[in-house]
Amino acid sequence: QKEVEQDPGPLSVPEGAIVSLNCTYSNSVFQYFMWYRQYSRKGPELLMYTYSSGNKEDGRFTAQVDKSSKYISLFIRDSQPSDSATYLCAMSLIGSNYKLTFGKGTLLTVNP
Amino acid sequence: EAGVAQSPRYKIIEKRQSVAFWCNPISGHATLYWYQQILGQGPKLLIQFQNNGVVDDSQLPKDRFSAERLKGVDSTLKIQPAKLEDSAVYLCASSPGRGKETQYFGPGTRLLVL
Repeated sequence: QKEVEQDPGPLSVPEGAIVSLNCTYSNSVFQYFMWYRQYSRKGPELLMYTYSSGNKEDGRFTAQVDKSSKYISLFIRDSQPSDSATYLCAMSLIGSNYKLTFGKGTLLTVNP
Repeated sequence: EAGVAQSPRYKIIEKRQSVAFWCNPISGHATLYWYQQILGQGPKLLIQFQNNGVVDDSQLPKDRFSAERLKGVDSTLKIQPAKLEDSAVYLCASSPGRGKETQYFGPGTRLLVL
C-alpha cells in the first residue's frame, strides 16, 4: 500500500461546479497537510497548508483534514477554467526536516 | 522576488550518456530540494540540502546520481550514466529554513532518455 493514495482522475466539470479532490494516507504520524496546484509544464505551487485535523478556507478553496479517517480533501467552489490543472496532495511528519510525500495528483479540467 | 530558476528546460540524451541540471534557489533560502517527477506521478524527493550540507539523500540512486551545492547557493544534479527509466521532470525547490518551510518550486527540467 502506498503511503499516500490519490485518484488520478481525470476529472472534468462545467464552469461554476463544486469540485472535491481527495487523498487517503496510511501513516498516522503525518501532521502537516498541503495541496499544490501544478499547471502544465510548470512546477507545483502551494495552494493550502493545514496542520492536524480541521478545516481551512481561503477564498474559493477549502482544505479539510480528518486524521481519524486518514483522509484529506480540497473543495473548490465556483470553479473556473483557470482552475484547470493537476492538484497534488502532500504531507509531512514533524521532525522529518519537512520532507514531503506527494500523491500522484488529480488532473482537473473546468469547461467554460 | 525572483523565483527558483532551473536550466536547461529540456534535455534529450541517449542512454548511458551523462547529463547535468542546474538550480538557482530564491535568494536567501537555506534549504534546497531536488525532486524527480515521472509522468503521471507526484514528485519524489531525491536529495535535500541545508545550506551546503546534505540533510536527506535516502532516495537518491547514488550509483548514478550525484548532487552538490557549493557555497550554499546554486546546486547541480548529475546523472551518469543515464537509463531509460530516468526520463522524468527534475524539479528544484527551495525554502527559507529557520522554521519557515513552504517549498517554492522551479519550472523543472524535462529529461528524455532514448
